Amino acid sequence: AQTVTQSQPEMSVQEAETVTLSCTYDTSESDYYLFWYKQPPSRQMILVIRQEAYKQQNATENRFSVNFQKAAKSFSLKISDSQLGDAAMYFCAYIRGGSNYKLTFGKGTLLTVNP
Amino acid sequence: DTGVSQNPRHKITKRGQNVTFRCDPISEHNRLYWYRQTLGQGPEFLTYFQNEAQLEKSRLLSDRFSAERPKGSFSTLEIQRTEQGDSAMYLCASSLSVSGKDTQYFGPGTRLTVL
Repeated sequence: AQTVTQSQPEMSVQEAETVTLSCTYDTSESDYYLFWYKQPPSRQMILVIRQEAYKQQNATENRFSVNFQKAAKSFSLKISDSQLGDAAMYFCAYIRGGSNYKLTFGKGTLLTVNP
Repeated sequence: DTGVSQNPRHKITKRGQNVTFRCDPISEHNRLYWYRQTLGQGPEFLTYFQNEAQLEKSRLLSDRFSAERPKGSFSTLEIQRTEQGDSAMYLCASSLSVSGKDTQYFGPGTRLTVL
């Protein structure tokens, strides 16, 4: 079974600085996708970034980028120029490729942004 | 372009009562998913539909749980004879299946409290 591990229950960062959230996963599949979702307090989960396992290039979305290390099964999220609105619970998630349907989530990392 | 909507947003019920939640997916999405999220955990997969067909159910979904998606549009999740352990956030997501590359978009969730 696939598992996703987020080893940092909480992280904090100063506004305008950079923070990296860690995620590791375990799978025997070669075709899969990885995601970071953001869940602000009392608000819905939104997609931050997505990475296809077959792509060597790391995904980026504005201030958000990932460091995808396939051999190490590591998928960290870097947030640059942190803003107060980045404060949220961040979940790393995995889904098998092909016709799979089931997202497997980590337990989340609570990010606090200090002004 | 409206996102995934869920109703009600909050539900408080007494143990033993039945409850029903509704999810309206993004209009062109053919896949619909239900997840459950308990405090301090990431969402866990419950079930999913492709159009009107329910194709997979997690072992987390006991016989007291039933989900439907008539006509492949909105979906309902019913819990019969609720128990205190059913207290959780119930999340709905939808996606457009394109060669297994679909991304799931989440609704705001229904928070269930069983007294």
